[in-house]
Amino acid sequence: AQSVTQPDIHITVSEGASLELRCNYSYGATPYLFWYVQSPGQGLQLLLKYFSGDTLVQGIKGFEAEFKRSQSSFNLRKPSVHWSDAAEYFCAVAPKGGYGGSQGNLIFGKGTKLSVKP
Amino acid sequence: DTAVSQTPKYLVTQMGNDKSIKCEQNLGHDTMYWYKQDSKKFLKIMFSYNNKELIINETVPNRFSPKSPDKAHLNLHINSLELGDSAVYFCASRQRTSGKETQYFGPGTRLLVL
Repeated sequence: AQSVTQPDIHITVSEGASLELRCNYSYGATPYLFWYVQSPGQGLQLLLKYFSGDTLVQGIKGFEAEFKRSQSSFNLRKPSVHWSDAAEYFCAVAPKGGYGGSQGNLIFGKGTKLSVKP
Repeated sequence: DTAVSQTPKYLVTQMGNDKSIKCEQNLGHDTMYWYKQDSKKFLKIMFSYNNKELIINETVPNRFSPKSPDKAHLNLHINSLELGDSAVYFCASRQRTSGKETQYFGPGTRLLVL
């Protein structure tokens, strides 16, 4: 079955420290990959996405993610965390060419809550 | 100039009532979605609509019915509300063109059933 695993439920980092949030997926073929962020009481904002090509993708707010096919992973990183980065982070996948089957609906991981210490 | 909007933002109602949540997108997308986020923040697809056709229905109770008056709107109607329906409901939209698979989400509607 298709699934997305975010092994860390809650991570706390100090402001200015580096961050890595893990994401692994289980899928028949390499899907499209996304990271979304949800601030408290807010909607979902797209941070970055991977469709093909360069496996290191840059996103908004200084985030980047690296796709590793051999590990079925798409980990999110940021070199220096700011207090405003405290939020819930969701990794998601969608099938490629999903026009005849699942129509591209996103499958989400359960999220990682990021807390930032001053 | 909001891309995907939802109303209301908050909805508090009694068990057994019928309610609707509205969603509108001004991105010109041709596919719209409804997701449910439960109390543990888990997000799961409920419906998707493409050109007024229901494409998927992920084992959602038939008390939930999506209604699309046009390509820019996908409303969610819920009959006989139950306590377990309390959640945050997100609308999203996407253009079904290769290379444009990104979904854009609305701000969510927080439903509380008492």
